[in-house]
Amino acid sequence: DAGVTQSPTHLIKTRGQQVTLRCSPISGHKSVSWYQQVLGQGPQFIFQYYEKEERGRGNFPDRFSARQFPNYSSELNVNALLLGDSALYLCASSSGLVWKVQETQYFGPGTRLLVL
Amino acid sequence: DAKTTQPTSMDCAEGRAANLPCNHSTISGNEYVYWYRQIHSQGPQYIIHGLKNNETNEMASLIITEDRKSSTLILPHATLRDTAVYYCIASSNAGGTSYGKLTFGQGTILTVHP
Repeated sequence: DAGVTQSPTHLIKTRGQQVTLRCSPISGHKSVSWYQQVLGQGPQFIFQYYEKEERGRGNFPDRFSARQFPNYSSELNVNALLLGDSALYLCASSSGLVWKVQETQYFGPGTRLLVL
Repeated sequence: DAKTTQPTSMDCAEGRAANLPCNHSTISGNEYVYWYRQIHSQGPQYIIHGLKNNETNEMASLIITEDRKSSTLILPHATLRDTAVYYCIASSNAGGTSYGKLTFGQGTILTVHP
C-alpha cells in the first residue's frame, strides 16, 4: 500500500510570496496533521484535521492555514512568506477510526521549502 | 504532553544491541510513549509505542519502567541503516486541543559503526 505522499518535494519561493503544499494520506486514513521542521530541530506541530475540520492548532501565526478535502487529502497554505519559513514541511496521517483516541501517525517524506 | 529527556548522541557497533534511554518523569497516566526515528532529510518513521507493558515488534523492543518515568528502546541487532535521530515522545490520548499533536524534542543521534 502507498504511504503518505506529499507534493512537491522541493520548492523555492521569495519573501512575500504564497505557497501551497499538498498531502495525500494513507488510503482509509481520515486524519491529517502538519508539522514544520527547521534545520537542526525536531518537527513542530502546526495543524490537525479530521473529517475536514480543524481539530488542533499549534503556535503558528495566521499566515498558516490548511484545509482537508472530502477525499481526506489536505493542503497547507502559507502567506506572506518569511525567510524563517524555510523548513521541511511534514504531513502525517492516522486512521481516525475513533475520534479523540490518540492513534499512531505515519509521516510522509516532506516538502522542503526554501524562502529567498 | 510530558517533557522527555534523551541523550544528545550515542554510538553503537554494527551487530550489537542499541539501547536508547528516555526519561519522562512527569508522564501522566493516559500518555503513551512513542518512538520515531528520522533518517537524514526523510520523514519520521514510526517504530513502536506503549502505555505500561513492554512491547516488541519486528523493528524494536520498548521497555517501560514500572513507575513509567523512563523507557528504553532496544534495537536488537543494529545495522548501519539504523543510523538516525531517534525521538521519544509522550503523547496523550485524552483529546482536546492537543489531539493529533506529537511534541518532538531534539532526539538522540544514534551512529552505528562498522
